[in-house]
Amino acid sequence: QVQLQESGPGLVKPSETLSLTCTVSGDSIRTYYWSWIRQPPGKGLEWIGYIYYSGSTNYTPSLKSRVTISVDTSKNQFSLKLTSVTAADTAVYYCARERRVGATVWFDPWGQGTLVTVSS
Amino acid sequence: DIQMTQSPSSLSASVGDRVTITCRASQSISNYLNWYRQKPGKAPKVLIYAASSLQSGVPSRFSGSGSGTDFTLTISSLQPEDFATYYCQQTYSTPWTFGQGTKVEIK
Repeated sequence: QVQLQESGPGLVKPSETLSLTCTVSGDSIRTYYWSWIRQPPGKGLEWIGYIYYSGSTNYTPSLKSRVTISVDTSKNQFSLKLTSVTAADTAVYYCARERRVGATVWFDPWGQGTLVTVSS
Repeated sequence: DIQMTQSPSSLSASVGDRVTITCRASQSISNYLNWYRQKPGKAPKVLIYAASSLQSGVPSRFSGSGSGTDFTLTISSLQPEDFATYYCQQTYSTPWTFGQGTKVEIK
């Protein structure tokens, strides 16, 4: 059974770079697309972007200038970098596997999530 | 971006009640619509994908319907573990977007 686990600093200073890694176990990262999603405290879900093992990416336009998602197939991991963070980037960050059947896409499973707080 | 609007934003119900949540897309998304349940402090879990397909392992009390711009999630008999927040999501075109959520509370 595939499992995802986010890891990285829980506290980042304003203007610095947020870096998170998602480790995939129970499945090869080469098989699917992989996404990052975030959820500010008490608010809804926002999709950040996805990556395919080939390195192909797609980002949400509102974050595109600050986001980089990368993949390390040797470690079965993919990563998120978000630059120039502000308090508005404080959120629980989730990684998730994209299931795709034809043009149908859904997220399953998700990691447990990790809270990242932006504060000096 | 495609905007997803859920209604209601919250509702109160009792165990055993039939509950219906609606999701409307700002443009036609065919049937590229998913539903997730998020329990407090936990990650979301998919219930329904492609508008009406029940995810493996999800109880049959959950059902989805709709196509185009209007979609519905129905819980036929609410159980204690169903008191949670529900989100719809469109995957018709990127950026994938979610509804604002519907919180189901105990009456």
